Amino acid sequence: DSGVTQTPKHLITATGQRVTLRCSPRSGDLSVYWYQQSLDQGLQFLIQYYNGEERAKGNILERFSAQQFPDLHSELNLSSLELGDSALYFCASSPRWVAGYEQYFGPGTRLTVT
Amino acid sequence: GESVGLHLPTLSVQEGDNSIINCAYSNSASDYFIWYKQESGKGPQFIIDIRSNMDKRQGQRVTVLLNKTVKHLSLQIAATQPGDSAVYFCADIPSGGGADGLTFGKGTHLIIQP
Repeated sequence: DSGVTQTPKHLITATGQRVTLRCSPRSGDLSVYWYQQSLDQGLQFLIQYYNGEERAKGNILERFSAQQFPDLHSELNLSSLELGDSALYFCASSPRWVAGYEQYFGPGTRLTVT
Repeated sequence: GESVGLHLPTLSVQEGDNSIINCAYSNSASDYFIWYKQESGKGPQFIIDIRSNMDKRQGQRVTVLLNKTVKHLSLQIAATQPGDSAVYFCADIPSGGGADGLTFGKGTHLIIQP
């Protein structure tokens, strides 16, 4: 158990809809990262927040947005969903602010868009 | 960026044998390398890391070797056990931490044969 929690575990929704994925980092970690994992693209970095501020941005679509709240939990919002958005979405946390160092991953949210 | 690649998508080894998983990188400014393990249905789990000023680092049953001359990284698992069955990812971070989070290769699926 990494100490990172993600909800929900599974999400099934229709094209065009909007969903929110939630992540609670390990106690004391200030950095939160979001990743998308699909079969054909592997694990892709989306975005990082550190202590409430956006720190780094990766391959995140304009239809996606994220934020980190004062209690350090983070939410990833996916809108105008398409079939291709079906994937596993992982959240990771780290005590460091520099992107990329040792990260602790949550169990993921499996999103299925039908 | 996409500087990390893995040599083989699948590696099959006999239980008890040693496993060697290889990874190549192209960014000579990479300063830090990490190996992650992802078991089926779970998030990636940190295994071991190594800085560019080191050639070798050992953990429990795992050793990472870094050859900067040929930009090659390997993960050696001693006495492979059924619990080692997973997808293994390498990732690199350039000097300064990088602004793109972790960049993972597609992964090598390690299969343990009884």
